[in-house]
Amino acid sequence: SQQGEEDPQALSIQEGENATMNCSYKTSINNLQWYRQNSGRGLVHLILIRSNEREKHSGRLRVTLDTSKKSSSLLITASRAADTASYFCASSGNTGKLIFGQGTTLQVKP
Amino acid sequence: DSGVTQTPKHLITATGQRVTLRCSPRSGDLSVYWYQQSLDQGLQFLIQYYNGEERAKGNILERFSAQQFPDLHSELNLSSLELGDSALYFCASSISGGDTGELFFGEGSRLTVL
Repeated sequence: SQQGEEDPQALSIQEGENATMNCSYKTSINNLQWYRQNSGRGLVHLILIRSNEREKHSGRLRVTLDTSKKSSSLLITASRAADTASYFCASSGNTGKLIFGQGTTLQVKP
Repeated sequence: DSGVTQTPKHLITATGQRVTLRCSPRSGDLSVYWYQQSLDQGLQFLIQYYNGEERAKGNILERFSAQQFPDLHSELNLSSLELGDSALYFCASSISGGDTGELFFGEGSRLTVL
């Protein structure tokens, strides 16, 4: 399979709590990206972290990257009901392909 | 609105038929990517074009073909359709063709094969 793995597959939390999603990938990368998809809609880019970076922040999002473990995590702080969506990591190597993981479905309860 | 336009939004057809999905990238973007999303396979990379040339290929079936035209719009042709081809097909675009940066996705074309 092309894809890496994401963990957990599904996550349900209360509004205000933090949500953490993990992603593993298979080959060496130039960058790793996170996308969000509302049900049946197109994916929306959230954040990109380069292979020489270890941590990146954007608003309530924090992404970490561990290239030695071929893994990344996405933390959404102070979650809101509007954060309910599926979240995908995507790895970019030298081939020009952007390979997506299976995704984590996040439900934030009001 | 990502600026990427896909048509048609929905398509219902029969097994054995052929369909064409169309994508107009964001203004200024030279790269177009096609992805297939299904419940059992997830989001699968099919193919990438950069400025009219094929740049990268994924798990695209031989029954499927794509091209990017001089005006940079792209078409994905699916032939001899099977039930398992039912999926959401996404087009995405980006400025670059090498180290893949941010992709901008269209809203997808939902194909149902009966």
